[in-house]
Amino acid sequence: DTAVSQTPKYLVTQMGNDKSIKCEQNLGHDTMYWYKQDSKKFLKIMFSYNNKELIINETVPNRFSPKSPDKAHLNLHINSLELGDSAVYFCASSQAHSNQPQHFGDGTRLSIL
Amino acid sequence: AQKVTQAQTEISVVEKEDVTLDCVYETRDTTYYLFWYKQPPSGELVFLIRRNSFDEQNEISGRYSWNFQKSTSSFNFTITASQVVDSAVYFCALRIPGSARQLTFGSGTQLTVLP
Repeated sequence: DTAVSQTPKYLVTQMGNDKSIKCEQNLGHDTMYWYKQDSKKFLKIMFSYNNKELIINETVPNRFSPKSPDKAHLNLHINSLELGDSAVYFCASSQAHSNQPQHFGDGTRLSIL
Repeated sequence: AQKVTQAQTEISVVEKEDVTLDCVYETRDTTYYLFWYKQPPSGELVFLIRRNSFDEQNEISGRYSWNFQKSTSSFNFTITASQVVDSAVYFCALRIPGSARQLTFGSGTQLTVLP
């Protein structure tokens, strides 16, 4: 059983388009995250979402918007895609107030043409 | 603010050699958690170990061992008798307790084990 699943695994699209990446976790965790990994492999938090508390990294453009229909899902919607958005996006989940590790999805490689 | 530094960008070793990956962290919190993740060429992030700030015991798991030293704010990772399958990017990360608390990652160390 996949613990944290992201779709799609690969996403190739043109500049200016709008796209979404879906994430679902079946671990019963109450907190979900989106991370961005750039071409130099650096991983940086974009969003954290716990019980309707959304924490936004200030460096994330407002073209990026997380949507959480329930605590098992945290989707990432991106408007007006730019070349610099090309990266691998990882979804993760964990239990808040716990020292347990975050579990990561396999990543979505986004390529902007 | 928290910070994790992995000064070694790339390391190459020959199979069966031992290798140590360094990790130095900064935080003002007295309670925190440290992690190591492995990212193989296939791209997924694999959890390896977690350490609590109040537990300075070193840990060994097979060929892997971890040395946590609060005095030097370091959490180093040693692979004994390295194998080609150990080739990956290894990330050290720090997390502060609390709701919706994210991981702060180091920049990663690319380990290449040559046959």
